Amino acid sequence: QLQLQESGPGLVKPSETLSLTCTVSGGSISSSSYYWGWIRQPPGKGLEWIGNIYYSGSTYYNPSLKSRVTISIDTSKNQFSLKLSSMTAADTAVYYCARGDCGDDCYSPLFDYWGQGNLVTVSS
Amino acid sequence: QSVLTQPPSASGTPGQRVTISCSGSSSNIRSNTVNWYQQLPGTAPKLLIYSNNQRPSGVPDRFSGSKSGTSASLAVSGLQSEDEADYYCAAWDDSLNGVVFGGGTKLTVL
Repeated sequence: QLQLQESGPGLVKPSETLSLTCTVSGGSISSSSYYWGWIRQPPGKGLEWIGNIYYSGSTYYNPSLKSRVTISIDTSKNQFSLKLSSMTAADTAVYYCARGDCGDDCYSPLFDYWGQGNLVTVSS
Repeated sequence: QSVLTQPPSASGTPGQRVTISCSGSSSNIRSNTVNWYQQLPGTAPKLLIYSNNQRPSGVPDRFSGSKSGTSASLAVSGLQSEDEADYYCAAWDDSLNGVVFGGGTKLTVL
């Protein structure tokens, strides 16, 4: 059974850079059939897509976050990571990592496995 | 303001049929497939419907999806108390070159 687990800080200071890692177990991250994504959810609010990374290494980011986001993949560790710079209180959210299934369309947001989420609070 | 528009709330009594709408545009719903997610309180979202109307293994056939033009719908028939959750639609947007989610609909079972 595939499992995803986010790891990283629960508290970040304003203006700092958030670094989160998603460790994939029970399957390989190196498959062209899947892609890997980050989604966040502010407390009491809806889901917001952050970005995806594909087997080829190509990335797609939410235009509203693009200038601050970097998603990378480490196949040797079966992990992928998120970096979000210049954090503000508006970035306080639960951050989820997820696996996307390409199926017929590698762009469709078909996230079939999710991590449990990592609550990140931005505060001094 | 979300790119995909959903009603903030929906409700029904046990056994009833409820539908949740998701309105988009030519750059997202008309051009691409729609997926639906169910989020139970305090848990991660779960894929409920993919490719407009397909159910992943294990999802009851009480849940169904459809798409027409720039809108999509999720129907829940034979409503049960455990269906009380938040529901989100999602699609790729060709103009934004990214994924867009609806704002979510809170389904209450009365």
